[in-house]
Amino acid sequence: AQSVTQPDIHITVSEGASLELRCNYSYGATPYLFWYVQSPGQGLQLLLKYFSGDTLVQGIKGFEAEFKRSQSSFNLRKPSVHWSDAAEYFCAVGADSNYQLIWGAGTKLIIKP
Amino acid sequence: DAMVIQNPRYQVTQFGKPVTLSCSQTLNHNVMYWYQQKSSQAPKLLFHYYDKDFNNEADTPDNFQSRRPNTSFCFLDIRSPGLGDAAMYLCATSRAYFPNTDTQYFGPGTRLTVL
Repeated sequence: AQSVTQPDIHITVSEGASLELRCNYSYGATPYLFWYVQSPGQGLQLLLKYFSGDTLVQGIKGFEAEFKRSQSSFNLRKPSVHWSDAAEYFCAVGADSNYQLIWGAGTKLIIKP
Repeated sequence: DAMVIQNPRYQVTQFGKPVTLSCSQTLNHNVMYWYQQKSSQAPKLLFHYYDKDFNNEADTPDNFQSRRPNTSFCFLDIRSPGLGDAAMYLCATSRAYFPNTDTQYFGPGTRLTVL
């Protein structure tokens, strides 16, 4: 069965600094990979997704993610964070075998002034 | 703007008192989902509809029911809320029936408090 691990529960980054949020998955075939963001008290919004092709995916709000099959990872990056990026970020994995979407536990991003 | 709307945003109920949460969408999507999200946890899928076809997750308690009277509206009924049902309830939609690949569009959620 597929699974998703987000190793960091919280990450604190200074405003203007770069960001990388980790996501590791377990699945035998090529997965469908997603990053969603949840601002405080709000629903989730899709940042980006990867199905196939170029392993570097561009998303909204200046985010990008890179699929690395050898590491079973799909890490989210942003070169310079803004205070408005403070939110919780969820990685999710979909599989062909069962039409399910499996969610990671989330990483809470805290921005220091 | 096309969107997913949830009402109310905050709901307080008493232990054992039935409660209904509502979701409406203007996206004209075929699929609607209900998730339960507890603090600092991932969303947990309770059930989803493809059009009028209801799909219940295996571990969703019987205490939770859902209705979808038309394409635009979907309701979550909690028949006898317990303290453990206090959570954020998220409604989401997607265009087609591929939960593993489709982008899901979420409402802002309803935060349920059980006293």
